Amino acid sequence: DAGVTQSPTHLIKTRGQQVTLRCSPKSGHDTVSWYQQALGQGPQFIFQYYEEEERQRGNFPDRFSGHQFPNYSSELNVNALLLGDSALYLCASSLVSRLDTQYFGPGTRLTVL
Amino acid sequence: DAKTTQPPSMDCAEGRAANLPCNHSTISGNEYVYWYRQIHSQGPQYIIHGLKNNETNEMASLIITEDRKSSTLILPHATLRDTAVYYCIVRVAGNQFYFGTGTSLTVIP
Repeated sequence: DAGVTQSPTHLIKTRGQQVTLRCSPKSGHDTVSWYQQALGQGPQFIFQYYEEEERQRGNFPDRFSGHQFPNYSSELNVNALLLGDSALYLCASSLVSRLDTQYFGPGTRLTVL
Repeated sequence: DAKTTQPPSMDCAEGRAANLPCNHSTISGNEYVYWYRQIHSQGPQYIIHGLKNNETNEMASLIITEDRKSSTLILPHATLRDTAVYYCIVRVAGNQFYFGTGTSLTVIP
């Protein structure tokens, strides 16, 4: 049973560019949440998707957007990249009926130069 | 969701119990206490959660004080693989998780 997978593992972009990160949830899970983790900090909630719609959103600008597909996989898009967007981006999956136990992927390390 | 306070770092000898404290003095009646941990370069991992009663599973025990203003996560026999950052989170069911900076636990051989 595959756990949460994310791609790519590492990514380097320059300021102003756009990036797309991908997440496949754990088998059977229907809800995907995205987090940003800056170096030395805890993960910060970006948003959550269920039934292909954004259900909850944290305090992140509109440059951060997402999508969920019918197979429950998800993408995180960041436009107009800033140096401060450099972070580990984590995807977590769960069942909408069991949001208390989220399973996290290994993350994508984004570096903005 | 209520704010939590944790010590930034702790050490524990291998084989001994690791007791990680968390203060959540503003917790309200419908907020649960959750613990996650993050081993270096990995995503966070769920450990345990509770509302008011003490809880135990295969990984750890969670002791919540009677007034619910603080809790302790207990790893009964710490191993080197338990070295990680441990996050205490208080949250209303259905809300998202807001992680603080956690406690960095180092298990010493």
